[in-house]
Amino acid sequence: GAVVSQHPSWVICKSGTSVKIECRSLDFQATTMFWYRQFPKQSLMLMATSNEGSKATYEQGVEKDKFLINHASLTLSTLTVTSAHPEDSSFYICSARDGRDVENIQYFGAGTRLSVL
Amino acid sequence: GQNIDQPTEMTATEGAIVQINCTYQTSGFNGLFWYQQHAGEAPTFLSYNVLDGLEEKGRFSSFLSRSKGYSYLLLKELQMKDSASYLCAVRGDMRFGAGTRLTVKP
Repeated sequence: GAVVSQHPSWVICKSGTSVKIECRSLDFQATTMFWYRQFPKQSLMLMATSNEGSKATYEQGVEKDKFLINHASLTLSTLTVTSAHPEDSSFYICSARDGRDVENIQYFGAGTRLSVL
Repeated sequence: GQNIDQPTEMTATEGAIVQINCTYQTSGFNGLFWYQQHAGEAPTFLSYNVLDGLEEKGRFSSFLSRSKGYSYLLLKELQMKDSASYLCAVRGDMRFGAGTRLTVKP
């Protein structure tokens, strides 16, 4: 089955530092990857959609200079939280779609819990 | 754009049957997904409906009515491990509804 690997699973950092989160599709080519953010007991909030080789499309209200997304290959997308602050602490989840799948099922990574001190 | 509505919370008893509803409004419909998410974990795929009717997968079934903009997820023989949030999403740009938090009690 389709597997999406997300690293790290947990990160604690100091305010002002940058954190990079990786999302990899292990056994399929992901033409499209999605980045979500989730606060406790709330639903997933789509942050951005990234297509391989092109700039990410950000949702309204998401700062593209704050959340840098790079989708350099068909199996890897990265999200960098720049100059992180305590309010950026959240659960970040990526997902990927197999370009050959006609149903466009999304497969999710295990998520990254970010705590900014 | 799209608008998705689900009940916020539901409670059911172990061994029972529960139906979780989802209504949607979308400018273009290409299918509907149901995902399960346990607290602190990523969502996992449950089902996909593109045609009207019921799709059965073991204890879980999903129903779709395109004309009514309505779907439901049916969980039978509930187990404690079924306590989770259940999210529906319309295929397309993959924004999720707020999800329904199901609690299964003994």
